[in-house]
Amino acid sequence: ELKVEQNPLFLSMQEGKNYTIYCNYSTTSDRLYWYRQDPGKSLESLFVLLSNGAVKQEGRLMASLDTKARLSTLHITAAVHDLSATYFCAVMNYGGSQGNLIFGKGTKLSVKP
Amino acid sequence: EAGVAQSPRYKIIEKRQSVAFWCNPISGHATLYWYQQILGQGPKLLIQFQNNGVVDDSQLPKDRFSAERLKGVDSTLKIQPAKLEDSAVYLCASSFGGGSYEQYFGPGTRLTVT
Repeated sequence: ELKVEQNPLFLSMQEGKNYTIYCNYSTTSDRLYWYRQDPGKSLESLFVLLSNGAVKQEGRLMASLDTKARLSTLHITAAVHDLSATYFCAVMNYGGSQGNLIFGKGTKLSVKP
Repeated sequence: EAGVAQSPRYKIIEKRQSVAFWCNPISGHATLYWYQQILGQGPKLLIQFQNNGVVDDSQLPKDRFSAERLKGVDSTLKIQPAKLEDSAVYLCASSFGGGSYEQYFGPGTRLTVT
């Protein structure tokens, strides 16, 4: 059974600082997603990582995937208040007939001035 | 392009009552998903449809939850009777196809069972 673990679960940062969120998963997969969720809102797709060594960047966020280590990271550079949200990683699980997403518990990020 | 629509957005019921949620996916999307997101956790898949057929309902509590997608477009998720632990946000998502196609999420229905 595929399990997805994120850490930390809570992250309080100061504006301008850098930090990394980690996503570990327990069995082989070739597809990993990062989502953002604002309070009371739905999930917004940030990145799709499809292969070992994949790196994607959008603004102050950069995501990478190491399929051999079963690890993805979401790096935040020079954080700003607008990045405050909960970030989820989700891993494609091919155990079912068509595959489905297994989500981590999320990392609640709070960026303070 | 219109996104995934869900209604109602909020619902408060007493335990043992029944409730239904509605989802309209993005036009042309064959695959529809219902997820349950309990406060402080990530979404958990309840059921996946491909057109009007069920692909995966292994995590659906079938003694109280049911879902249908009769014409391969809209879907309803029903809970009868509701329990306190059913309090959660119910998210609907759709994708062009199953498996590796990207899923697009609706705004969710927040259910509170008292």
